Amino acid sequence: DQQVKQNSPSLSVQEGRISILNCDYTNSMFDYFLWYKKYPAEGPTFLISISSIKDKNEDGRFTVFLNKSAKHLSLHIVPSQPGDSAVYFCAARLTLIQGAQKLVFGQGTRLTINP
Amino acid sequence: DTEVTQTPKHLVMGMTNKKSLKCEQHMGHRAMYWYKQKAKKPPELMFVYSYEKLSINESVPSRFSPECPNSSLLNLHLHALQPEDSALYLCASKHTGTGGYNEQFFGPGTRLTVL
Repeated sequence: DQQVKQNSPSLSVQEGRISILNCDYTNSMFDYFLWYKKYPAEGPTFLISISSIKDKNEDGRFTVFLNKSAKHLSLHIVPSQPGDSAVYFCAARLTLIQGAQKLVFGQGTRLTINP
Repeated sequence: DTEVTQTPKHLVMGMTNKKSLKCEQHMGHRAMYWYKQKAKKPPELMFVYSYEKLSINESVPSRFSPECPNSSLLNLHLHALQPEDSALYLCASKHTGTGGYNEQFFGPGTRLTVL
C-alpha cells in the first residue's frame, strides 16, 4: 500500500527551463507535504513544504503547488540549474493519535539538468 | 550548529556481530528518528523518539534496538542481523515546538553491509 507515489522515476530538463516534479497521495489525513533533495552518499536535504490548508508556497526558484481535491502536488523549479541534478523525494506528514508524527516518502524522481 | 552527524559512515559486520550506530544533533530538537533506505527505494521509518521516549516502532524486528540516552544522542544497537538488513541507515531530528517547524533534518547516513 503505497500512500505516496512519484510516478516518474526520472526526468531530464535543459538548463534554464522549468522542471516539474509530480507527486500523488492517497491518504487524506496527511497534514503537511515536504520536498527533499538527495545527492548520492548524503542524507536528504529539506527544500520546501506546504500545509494541507494552502495551495501554493514559493521560496526563490522553488514553488510547490497542492491540489487537495486531486490529492496531487508538484514542485516547480525555475530556472533549472545543473546543481539541481539530484533525486527528489516527496514526503507527506501524518500526525498520529498520540501526537507523534511520521513522514511517508514517495519513491523519488531522479532529475538531470542538461547544460 | 545546524547538522545531524552519524557515525560510522560505513560499517561491515557479520551475522553474529553486535554493533551500534550513533546519531548526534545539537539543535535542541526533541524528536529524533531512525530510517532505513534500500537502494533505489525511499527512506522507511523505523523508530521515533519524542522527548527521549520511544513513541513509534514501525514493527521493526528486535535485532534492531534503539536507545535515546539524552536529548542530543540517538543510538541504534544491532545484533544478529541478516544480509537483507544491508542498507543506508538515516537519522533525522526535528523541532517539536509550535510555529511552523515541520521539516526533519537528516544526517548523511551509515552504509551498513551485513555479510
